Amino acid sequence: GENVEQHPSTLSVQEGDSAVIKCTYSDSASNYFPWYKQELGKGPQLIIDIRSNVGEKKDQRIAVTLNKTAKHFSLHITETQPEDSAVYFCAATFSEKLVFGKGTKLTVNP
Amino acid sequence: DTEVTQTPKHLVMGMTNKKSLKCEQHMGHRAMYWYKQKAKKPPELMFVYSYEKLSINESVPSRFSPECPNSSLLNLHLHALQPEDSALYLCASSPAPGTIQETQYFGPGTRLLVL
Repeated sequence: GENVEQHPSTLSVQEGDSAVIKCTYSDSASNYFPWYKQELGKGPQLIIDIRSNVGEKKDQRIAVTLNKTAKHFSLHITETQPEDSAVYFCAATFSEKLVFGKGTKLTVNP
Repeated sequence: DTEVTQTPKHLVMGMTNKKSLKCEQHMGHRAMYWYKQKAKKPPELMFVYSYEKLSINESVPSRFSPECPNSSLLNLHLHALQPEDSALYLCASSPAPGTIQETQYFGPGTRLLVL
């Protein structure tokens, strides 16, 4: 069935370090992979996305890589800042649905 | 502008009450979604409206009744809810479902507490 695995569930880094979150998906037909950031008491906010015809995409300090053969994709945040602290969700599309990973709570310590 | 608005922000209701959640977007998006999110969990899809027609119902209990009056509005009518229905209810929209314009944008959510 449709499944997205996300690791780690919690991640603590020092300000200025890099953070990496990894996800795997089950359906080889999935072709769209967004990442959302959710701060406490708010809705998920799209931070970056990637499609299956692209291997890597970067937006300032945030990058996403996709390996379709292995069915996994990763979020990379460089030069982390305290305001990056939040829960991050990866997701993959299955037909009209968006299936989410279980989330990673990222804490950036000043 | 990628704003999805939801009202109310917070709602407390008893198990015999009837209430409605509202969602609005003015981005011309043709798909709208309801999700339920429990604490420390990812959003779970409830309903999808595509071109104002219900296209997906994820086996949601009938005490939740969605309505899409027009392409900009989405309602979720609540009746005879249970305490376990307490959660954050999120609305999202996307330009065109099932196409390359499928990015979903979320609203801030309605925090629901059922007593």
